[in-house]
Amino acid sequence: NAGVTQTPKFQVLKTGQSMTLQCAQDMNHNSMYWYRQDPGMGLRLIYYSASEGTTDKGEVPNGYNVSRLNKREFSLRLESAAPSQTSVYFCASYSGANTGELFFGEGSRLTVL
Amino acid sequence: GEDVEQSLFLSVREGDSSVINCTYTDSSSTYLYWYKQEPGAGLQLLTYIFSNMDMKQDQRLTVLLNKKDKHLSLRIADTQTGDSAIYFCAESSARQLTFGSGTQLTVLP
Repeated sequence: NAGVTQTPKFQVLKTGQSMTLQCAQDMNHNSMYWYRQDPGMGLRLIYYSASEGTTDKGEVPNGYNVSRLNKREFSLRLESAAPSQTSVYFCASYSGANTGELFFGEGSRLTVL
Repeated sequence: GEDVEQSLFLSVREGDSSVINCTYTDSSSTYLYWYKQEPGAGLQLLTYIFSNMDMKQDQRLTVLLNKKDKHLSLRIADTQTGDSAIYFCAESSARQLTFGSGTQLTVLP
């Protein structure tokens, strides 16, 4: 069972470069999320998509864009990377209101020099 | 806005009980969660409690909810070295979960 798959797992960028983090889920979930994790700060929500075709800002959206390409895929784009975006990024999908469980990918570690 | 707070570190000896505490602010949360993160991995749901419950027990795990004080705790009985991880408390609001900063549990031999 794949669950939530993120790529790449590791990436090093120079300031000003752009890149896209890819995420796909095979659980037929409607809602998907992008979080960043920084030491001592827990997980902070960047963007989420409640359903195919919709996206909304989370707590820390600045410097990021997202695309909900279809029900399975939700990508996160950094147009002009900054050192402050060095972090571990997690994609998650939501099982729905019955149990409200988030299923996480394994994370993408991004370093911006 | 919603806020979830946890202490950052906890150390216990193998075989002892661990208690990880959490406070939250959103009284309308339907569910409260405990997630576990092992090194180099994503978060995995450990257990959750519905907001109209006071306690939930699942094998070595006991979750206590004090809704009046907005306090949630996770007790791990007979803590093992494999329990060493970061534990996140989370509350639900609308379609989002708000996470605490995580508590790093270290189990000493």
